[in-house]
Amino acid sequence: AQRVTQPEKLLSVFKGAPVELKCNYSYSGSPELFWYVQYSRQRLQLLLRHISRESIKGFTADLNKGETSFHLKKPFAQEEDSAMYYCALRGGGSQGNLIFGKGTKLSVKP
Amino acid sequence: KAGVTQTPRYLIKTRGQQVTLSCSPISGHRSVSWYQQTPGQGLQFLFEYFSETQRNKGNFPGRFSGRQFSNSRSEMNVSTLELGDSALYLCASSRTGVTNEQFFGPGTRLTVL
Repeated sequence: AQRVTQPEKLLSVFKGAPVELKCNYSYSGSPELFWYVQYSRQRLQLLLRHISRESIKGFTADLNKGETSFHLKKPFAQEEDSAMYYCALRGGGSQGNLIFGKGTKLSVKP
Repeated sequence: KAGVTQTPRYLIKTRGQQVTLSCSPISGHRSVSWYQQTPGQGLQFLFEYFSETQRNKGNFPGRFSGRQFSNSRSEMNVSTLELGDSALYLCASSRTGVTNEQFFGPGTRLTVL
């Protein structure tokens, strides 16, 4: 079964501390993984995707097929990073199907 | 350019009624996907339309249906509403599908009484 698990509902860190948001997936084929973010009162938006291997707003995520993980990391958290983060997997079949994790709320304290 | 728009933004219905939600994608986007978001289940994929054809479907009962028009605007319909259908319904558009970036609308908040 295709599944995305984000084990932490809430993650609280202090400004300047490193942050790691965990994501594990279950998928039989070659996965395509994404991180979406939703800031307060804003729309859900794409943060980054593994195929791009990019760093957005200081965040990076590496696909680890052996551990079936796609953790999101940032070395120094900022208060403006406080938001809801969703890990997502492109489902099988045709395009357009995203399987989301339940999300992790990141709170960065001053 | 204008983002994805959804109408109405809020809706209150009673059990047994039906409802139609509308989504206008970003100009030039041909793929529209619909998601249901609830506190318990999170974000769940409903279906995706591309060039007026349903290309993929999630695991929802047949009471949930949709369609896409030639201008790429999409509607979803829920018949015989149940209390559990209360949710935020999000649509997202992209040029060809999820491998292109999906842009989400603000959602329609449906409350079923």
